[in-house]
Amino acid sequence: DTGVSQDPRHKITKRGQNVTFRCDPISEHNRLYWYRQTLGQGPEFLTYFQNEAQLEKSRLLSDRFSAERPKGSFSTLEIQRTEQGDSAMYLCASSLGTGGSGNTIYFGEGSWLTVV
Amino acid sequence: TQLLEQSPQFLSIQEGENLTVYCNSSSVFSSLQWYRQEPGEGPVLLVTVVTGGEVKKLKRLTFQFGDARKDSSLHITAAQPGDTGLYLCAGEDNNDMRFGAGTRLTVKP
Repeated sequence: DTGVSQDPRHKITKRGQNVTFRCDPISEHNRLYWYRQTLGQGPEFLTYFQNEAQLEKSRLLSDRFSAERPKGSFSTLEIQRTEQGDSAMYLCASSLGTGGSGNTIYFGEGSWLTVV
Repeated sequence: TQLLEQSPQFLSIQEGENLTVYCNSSSVFSSLQWYRQEPGEGPVLLVTVVTGGEVKKLKRLTFQFGDARKDSSLHITAAQPGDTGLYLCAGEDNNDMRFGAGTRLTVKP
């Protein structure tokens, strides 16, 4: 257990429905990341926050995806009008964000999404 | 296109054998990390390397960071079935972490 928790761990939803995932990072970490991972691939960067500010978004993050970190603590990732191609594991990670070398990030156990 | 290229993509060996997997990039990283991931779980950090030429050992695992901080290797001595998993390298680039596609290692008893 790294201290990063994600909820729910598994979600099955019908195409077109909206889903929301929650991530609680390690409490003193100011950076929070979202990644997506499909079978056989490494994690693909989606977005990250420094405190409550969303500093970078990948072009993978279409306008159906939105992430928030309103108080600089937990974060939510919402996917609207889900498509089958959204099926993946959504990983959250956090770090102290030293901004330089040794910016170690710690992952949660992921939230599996299956769109049927 | 992956910023970090890992090779080989798949590796299947017998228990007791040695192996090396590689992580290469054309970019310079301020730090590089290796993770191991088991099916259905998030990646678990193994090591962070920071200094060019740095070598770190973790029991039977030896990690090396290239002198130019563009590449890294992971060597496992006397592999065991418990080493089976997906080995991922990740480099810090402009304040976020980018991952390779991983090397999927299977160690047969």
